[in-house]
Amino acid sequence: KAGVTQTPRYLIKTRGQQVTLSCSPISGHRSVSWYQQTPGQGLQFLFEYFSETQRNKGNFPGRFSGRQFSNSRSEMNVSTLELGDSALYLCASSSYPQGAGSTDTQYFGPGTRLTVL
Amino acid sequence: AQSVTQLGSHVSVSEGALVLLRCNYSSSVPPYLFWYVQYPNQGLQLLLKYTSAATLVKGINGFEAEFKKSETSFHLTKPSAHMSDAAEYFCAVSRPGTGNQFYFGTGTSLTVIP
Repeated sequence: KAGVTQTPRYLIKTRGQQVTLSCSPISGHRSVSWYQQTPGQGLQFLFEYFSETQRNKGNFPGRFSGRQFSNSRSEMNVSTLELGDSALYLCASSSYPQGAGSTDTQYFGPGTRLTVL
Repeated sequence: AQSVTQLGSHVSVSEGALVLLRCNYSSSVPPYLFWYVQYPNQGLQLLLKYTSAATLVKGINGFEAEFKKSETSFHLTKPSAHMSDAAEYFCAVSRPGTGNQFYFGTGTSLTVIP
């Protein structure tokens, strides 16, 4: 099976712009989670989508949003970019063999490196 | 609330020596625990996971971890370090039944000295 893919791998934006990141989960996986990784804050949970519904949300401002499509692909959007949004954004997928609400192994993509100038 | 503490942001070991990376967790209910490894410019790769079955968990690349409820620990070990083990290691905790909201530790950078 192909792994989790994220596009683009690298992005450079300027303050005030918006950006959309894409994530394609492993085939058959229905859950997609997003994480922000920075040297100062480490790995922080953004949100999780399951069957096109946001199920969990981390402590990030409303500028960070996401969605999931019927084929389980997910996008993350950040509006009005700030310098502090520069980070590696990681997407992870899992299969949920035990159904919604269960916790399962997450498989991570390589990430999108976002630089805000 | 769940949280994870990784003691030691940097650990150095000689090639062939024991690797011990420490992880302590805080959870209101018996958690699920995971160890991931991250190589430069890559995503996270699962090493092993504990999901309330056997307390001693064996993972890939010769790594293992033991869940100790009394110590709220889930330390990662490997008997003999290899140069290829040099990477960043993350411990993560999640609460069963609440979906995939993982809480990660701050990571431990492992250096292997030849």
